[in-house]
Formats: sequence, structure tokens, C-alpha cells
Amino acid sequence: QLQLQESGPGLVKPSETLSFTCTVSGGSISSSSYYWGWIRQPPGKGLEWIGSIYYSGSTYYNPSLKSRVIISVDTSKNQFSLKLNSVTAADTAVYYCASMWELRWFGPWGQGTLVTVSS
Amino acid sequence: QSALTQPASVSGSPGQSITISCTGTSSDVGGYNFVSWYQQHPGKVPKLMIYDVSSRPSGVSNRFSGSKSGNTASLTISGLQAEDEADYYCSSYTTSNTLVFGGGTKLTVL
Repeated sequence: QLQLQESGPGLVKPSETLSFTCTVSGGSISSSSYYWGWIRQPPGKGLEWIGSIYYSGSTYYNPSLKSRVIISVDTSKNQFSLKLNSVTAADTAVYYCASMWELRWFGPWGQGTLVTVSS
Repeated sequence: QSALTQPASVSGSPGQSITISCTGTSSDVGGYNFVSWYQQHPGKVPKLMIYDVSSRPSGVSNRFSGSKSGNTASLTISGLQAEDEADYYCSSYTTSNTLVFGGGTKLTVL
């Protein structure tokens, strides 16, 4: 059974870079047909897909965030990571990592981590 | 890319059936059978309820069903139960090799 665990700071200053790592257990991040994604949810609002990555390193980004996002994968550590630069208060959200079957659906998800952007 | 359109809220009484719509375009919902639905209780992680328009993951009640017609997908919950009260989100693959979510629908069980 796949399990995912995000790790990262709960507070980031405006204009800085938000960084998260998701550790996958119970399976290999290099499994074919599995992709790995990041989703966020501002407080009281809906879900927003940030981007996804395949173990080969192929990346897919939300066009609205593409200029500020880098997603990477480390197969040796069974981890994938998110970097979002030049953050503002609008980036305050719960950030989730999730497995994906191809680029079709999400599941399982990590537990989510609230990140607040504030000075 | 624009978010898929869902009603902000729907409601129903226990035992009734409700349907939540999810409207997109021919570039997403209408173009692929890759629509999924997620249930999210307050403070909890979203849970996959339906994938590929109408398939149900193991462990999800058969009271949940999905369908699609043109650019609109639908989630139907039959035999409403109090525990079904939650937020529901649809998602679709798009022509740009991206994913898009709906704005979410709050289901209230009266």
C-alpha cells in the first residue's frame, strides 16, 4: 500500500522560495504508469493542481504557476520535491503530494501541510 | 486553463439521490474519459471516489456512480447518508497534458 509523507516548513517569508519533499513508501517511485503530483488548497477554498512528474524526470505544470515552479525527482531516495519561488500571501495553502495513475487520477495522498506566507 | 464548473452547493435528504455536475470543454471533460471525483470531509485529505468517469476504486460504496455526456460529467450519490456530507471535487485530464479541478461542491444532507 503506497504511503506518501510531505516534509517542509510551515512558514515562508514573502518573496522567498517554498520547498517541499514527498517521501514515498510501500512502493517504488520508479514504477511504470505512476506519476507523482503536487496539489494545494488555500484555506476555505478549492483544490488546485500545481504539477506532476514521472520518474524519468518528465514534468507537467499548471500554466498559471509554471513560471515559478520546479518539480524534481530523486529515485535513489524514493522522493520527489516541489519548489515554488517568489511566494506571496496568495500562496498560503495546504500543500499535498499524491500518487497519480498516469496523468488521470490522484490517490493515495499525503496528509497535507499548511504553509503560511508571512513576514 | 479554467477550472471546471461545479455548483457551489447541493443538498438532499437521507435516502434520496443527488447529482453533482462538472462542466468543462472539449479540451478536457469532453475530450477524454479521464474524469475523477474526490470527497473531502472538513480538515481531511481528499479521497478518490470515481476515476475514468465511472470506475469505482475498491472500498468505495456502490451508492456512488459517475457518468459523462458531452462536456459535462456527473457524480450521483444514491441512498444519501449523513456521512456523505462533504465537499466534492471533479478533475479532468486536458489536451495540454495538464490536470484541472472543479471549484468544488458542498453537499449538505438535510
